[in-house]
Amino acid sequence: AQTVTQSQPEMSVQEAETVTLSCTYDTSESNYYLFWYKQPPSRQMILVIRQEAYKQQNATENRFSVNFQKAAKSFSLKISDSQLGDTAMYFCAFMKPYGQNFVFGPGTRLSVLP
Amino acid sequence: DAGITQSPRYKITETGRQVTLMCHQTWSHSYMFWYRQDLGHGLRLIYYSAAADITDKGEVPDGYVVSRSKTENFPLTLESATRSQTSVYFCASSDSGSSQPQHFGDGTRLSIL
Repeated sequence: AQTVTQSQPEMSVQEAETVTLSCTYDTSESNYYLFWYKQPPSRQMILVIRQEAYKQQNATENRFSVNFQKAAKSFSLKISDSQLGDTAMYFCAFMKPYGQNFVFGPGTRLSVLP
Repeated sequence: DAGITQSPRYKITETGRQVTLMCHQTWSHSYMFWYRQDLGHGLRLIYYSAAADITDKGEVPDGYVVSRSKTENFPLTLESATRSQTSVYFCASSDSGSSQPQHFGDGTRLSIL
């Protein structure tokens, strides 16, 4: 069974600075998908970014980028130019192809400080 | 508007009562999911459904019942609520395919006294 670990329960960053959230996972699959979701205080679950394991190029979405290290089974999220609206819980998630079921990590609570 | 809606948003009930959480999606997605969110655990899968009339257990199914008579609806029932089922419940849906992300409802905060 797959497991997802987020070793940082809480983090904080100053506005306009860069922060990196860690995620590691355990799987015997060779192909899979990884996601980062953001959950602001409003409780919505918002897809931030996704990565296909067969792609070597790291995914990027505006200020959000990932560092995907397949051999190390690591999938960290980098947020550049942090904004107050980035304050949220961030969840890393793993999915097998056609498996549809997500396995979520326990989350990292990020606070962006003015 | 297209999307996924959950109701109610908040619910308080007593132990032993039956309670049903509703989930409705307008995308015609094949897959639907129910998760519970508890501090320190992230989201854990309760049940999922690959299509109408097809449901399957997830990680934490005990004490819950689901049905899916129509593609767009996926209600979750707690037949005899217990305090350990106090949680925030999320419904999600995704299209079929190898890499489709899940889209989430806004959640239901359920408190069992």
